[in-house]
Amino acid sequence: DTAVSQTPKYLVTQMGNDKSIKCEQNLGHDTMYWYKQDSKKFLKIMFSYNNKELIINETVPNRFSPKSPDKAHLNLHINSLELGDSAVYFCASSQDESGGPADFGPGTRLTVL
Amino acid sequence: GESVGLHLPTLSVQEGDNSIINCAYSNSASDYFIWYKQESGKGPQFIIDIRSNMDKRQGQRVTVLLNKTVKHLSLQIAATQPGDSAVYFCADRGGYQKVTFGIGTKLQVIP
Repeated sequence: DTAVSQTPKYLVTQMGNDKSIKCEQNLGHDTMYWYKQDSKKFLKIMFSYNNKELIINETVPNRFSPKSPDKAHLNLHINSLELGDSAVYFCASSQDESGGPADFGPGTRLTVL
Repeated sequence: GESVGLHLPTLSVQEGDNSIINCAYSNSASDYFIWYKQESGKGPQFIIDIRSNMDKRQGQRVTVLLNKTVKHLSLQIAATQPGDSAVYFCADRGGYQKVTFGIGTKLQVIP
């Protein structure tokens, strides 16, 4: 059973397009995250949601809009994609918002041409 | 944005030797630390954690050491195996429960 799943695994698109990445966790966790990992493997948090409410928004351009329809899902929509958005995006979840260990999804490799 | 100017450190270790991966953190208020392992093509995976009121914690083949005086953390892997080849990240929890990841270290195990 996959604990944190995200789709698609690969996403190749043109500059200017809008795309979405979906994430689901079946661990019963209250908190979910989106991370961006660049080509040098640097991991940076983008957003954190706790029970469907936004708790962390790390100076991410407003072209990125997370949506949490329920606490098991956190989707990421990106408008007007730019070359610099190319990266691997990881969804993660943790039991609560205390900053404890997180379970990560397999990642979505986004390539913007 | 991109981690411009930063390079992923690499540690090469002979199979069977012990590995020591180091990490420096900057926030003196950090009270909790986690090590993650990221294998190629996968997401990071929790290995071991330690609270700031401890200076050592042991798991199976792994030991984490914490030196708060110099804000330094290390992960020791005993009898390194090919399956240990991965990128290892430390992460620290600072104010407002925010977790910050370090830049990562790539461990290459030579058979």
